[in-house]
Amino acid sequence: DVKVTQSSRYLVKRTGEKVFLECVQDMDHENMFWYRQDPGLGLRLIYFSYDVKMKEKGDIPEGYSVSREKKERFSLILESASTNQTSMYLCASGYLAGVADTQYFGPGTRLTVL
Amino acid sequence: GQQLNQSPQSMFIQEGEDVSMNCTSSSIFNTWLWYKQDPGEGPVLLIALYKAGELTSNGRLTAQFGITRKDSFLNISASIPSDVGIYFCAGPGSGNTPLVFGKGTRLSVIA
Repeated sequence: DVKVTQSSRYLVKRTGEKVFLECVQDMDHENMFWYRQDPGLGLRLIYFSYDVKMKEKGDIPEGYSVSREKKERFSLILESASTNQTSMYLCASGYLAGVADTQYFGPGTRLTVL
Repeated sequence: GQQLNQSPQSMFIQEGEDVSMNCTSSSIFNTWLWYKQDPGEGPVLLIALYKAGELTSNGRLTAQFGITRKDSFLNISASIPSDVGIYFCAGPGSGNTPLVFGKGTRLSVIA
């Protein structure tokens, strides 16, 4: 079974703090993704990576950065957390099957910024 | 870019009933994925479809890749309380969106 783990299930931070969300996958997948999920807005892609040290912006990259130093690990960084970044953050890893990434998700990190 | 319309948005059913939901796209797809998300958890991949007309089962779940390649269907037979959750369809995106997701169908099962 594919295993995607996220460093925290729940996190509470203060406005202005730097926040690190870590994601690790054990299936040797090339591709990794960070989403946020908010009620009524669905899943929105923040950043993704198709290889080590490589990153691509998704739909909503503003206020976020990422790091992929090793194939199995993809980190999401909030440089200066703001209250509008309170959300559920989901990491996924996947492989290209046909023309679409078949993605597997982690359990999520519910981040609250006060 | 591609858009996915998923319906219904929500369903309330009695335990034991069968469930049907569908997803339509604005363009032709080569892949359809169906996920389920339990409250407070990440989505879990249920079924992946890669060929038009394909019918694939996973226990009580059956998904079909529509022959027009613009739609897909998920059926759940004999629903049970643990079927509660949000079901998402997904397919190939474009540009900076590798995968596009529907808004989800929220399923509630009444015992």
